[in-house]
Amino acid sequence: AQSVSQHNHHVILSEAASLELGCNYSYGGTVNLFWYVQYPGQHLQLLLKYFSGDPLVKGIKGFEAEFIKSKFSFNLRKPSVQWSDTAEYFCAVNPKAAGNKLTFGGGTRVLVKP
Amino acid sequence: DAGVIQSPRHEVTEMGQEVTLRCKPISGHNSLFWYRQTMMRGLELLIYFNNNVPIDDSGMPEDRFSAKMPNASFSTLKIQPSEPRDSAVYFCASTPGPSGANVLTFGAGSRLTVL
Repeated sequence: AQSVSQHNHHVILSEAASLELGCNYSYGGTVNLFWYVQYPGQHLQLLLKYFSGDPLVKGIKGFEAEFIKSKFSFNLRKPSVQWSDTAEYFCAVNPKAAGNKLTFGGGTRVLVKP
Repeated sequence: DAGVIQSPRHEVTEMGQEVTLRCKPISGHNSLFWYRQTMMRGLELLIYFNNNVPIDDSGMPEDRFSAKMPNASFSTLKIQPSEPRDSAVYFCASTPGPSGANVLTFGAGSRLTVL
């Protein structure tokens, strides 16, 4: 069965530190890839997405992600985090052959200390 | 647009009671998804509809769970009878159509507590 793995369940770091969250998926075909963010008390919203083309995609709030096909990975990065980046981050995968079914990873809770 | 609207926002009920969660997708959106979020299992896809038709309900935990979409502007998720392990936040999301490249717009969620 297809799965999406996020390696870190919790990350704690200080403001201005760099952030990298791992995401791996098990599906071997062509995929659409997403990162969603859930700020405390809010619903999920899109951070960035990859469909094709340049494997390095940029999203909102200074986030970027790199698709490495050979590693089945789509890691999220931000060079310098802010306290307001405290949130839960979800990687999601849509195999193009599976219609519009979207499977999420388990999420990573990020706490940025001021 | 008011976005995806879910009700109730919070529900506390006793084990054995019937629970009905409601969702109104964004007008014009033809695909609707129900997800469940728990600490232990993260965000799980329960079922999704395209053009009011259930496409994949393999994520529905058991027969106690059922979902309907009688028209393009309304869907329900019903749990009968409810159990404490059903306690979770249930999210509804919609997209313009059945393309995997569409971005989901989520509702605010319904937080269910079963005592």
